[in-house]
Amino acid sequence: DSGVTQTPKHLITATGQRVTLRCSPRSGDLSVYWYQQSLDQGLQFLIQYYNGEERAKGNILERFSAQQFPDLHSELNLSSLELGDSALYFCASSVTRDRGLNTEAFFGQGTRLTVV
Amino acid sequence: GQNIDQPTEMTATEGAIVQINCTYQTSGFNGLFWYQQHAGEAPTFLSYNVLDGLEEKGRFSSFLSRSKGYSYLLLKELQMKDSASYLCARRDTDKLIFGTGTRLQVFP
Repeated sequence: DSGVTQTPKHLITATGQRVTLRCSPRSGDLSVYWYQQSLDQGLQFLIQYYNGEERAKGNILERFSAQQFPDLHSELNLSSLELGDSALYFCASSVTRDRGLNTEAFFGQGTRLTVV
Repeated sequence: GQNIDQPTEMTATEGAIVQINCTYQTSGFNGLFWYQQHAGEAPTFLSYNVLDGLEEKGRFSSFLSRSKGYSYLLLKELQMKDSASYLCARRDTDKLIFGTGTRLQVFP
C-alpha cells in the first residue's frame, strides 16, 4: 500500500458527461501529480500541484481541470467526455518541502474510467 | 514520451540478466527514476540516480551517465514475476516525466 488513495476505482459513464476523480496523497506529501494511461500506452503527465498551487502542466486538455484543496487532497475534473478519454488515471504524491526534490513519487491504484 | 526513449518490448529467460536502456533529454534534468508496473496496477518505485554511476539494490541495479543522457536498469537472476513494464522517468525541475515503458516478458 503506497498510502495514496484514489476514488472511485472504476467509473463508467456516457459521452458528454462530467466526472470527478479524487486523490488523497500520502500523509505529509505536498505535491500531487495526475497522469493518464490509455490502453497499452505510457504514462502521460497531466498536471502537478504543490501545496494548493498549480506547479506544472503537461498535455492536459482544456476539458480537464484539477485543483488541490487546503487539506492537500486533489480532484481531477473531466468534462464533455469522449470515448478517447477512457483510460487509467493515476494520482501520485511526493514530499517536496522537507526532503527537497530528490524524492520518488508514490502512486495510487488508479481510477479506471470507461466512457461509453 | 517527451524525449525519453526506451525499447518497447524485450524478452528474456528465467535466471538470465537483462539490461533495459533509457535515453533522455538532458535539459532541465534533475534525477532519473525507474519504476516497475504490472498490467493494470500502479507503478512502484525501483531506483533513483542523480549522480553518475551505478546504484545497486539486490537483483536490480541502475546506471546513469548525465553527460550522455543515458541510463539503464539491470535485472539479474530473472524471475517470472519480473514480467512487467519498466518505466524510465526523468525529473524535470520538480515534475516527473515518464517514458512509454519497456514491456519485459520472462520465459521459463
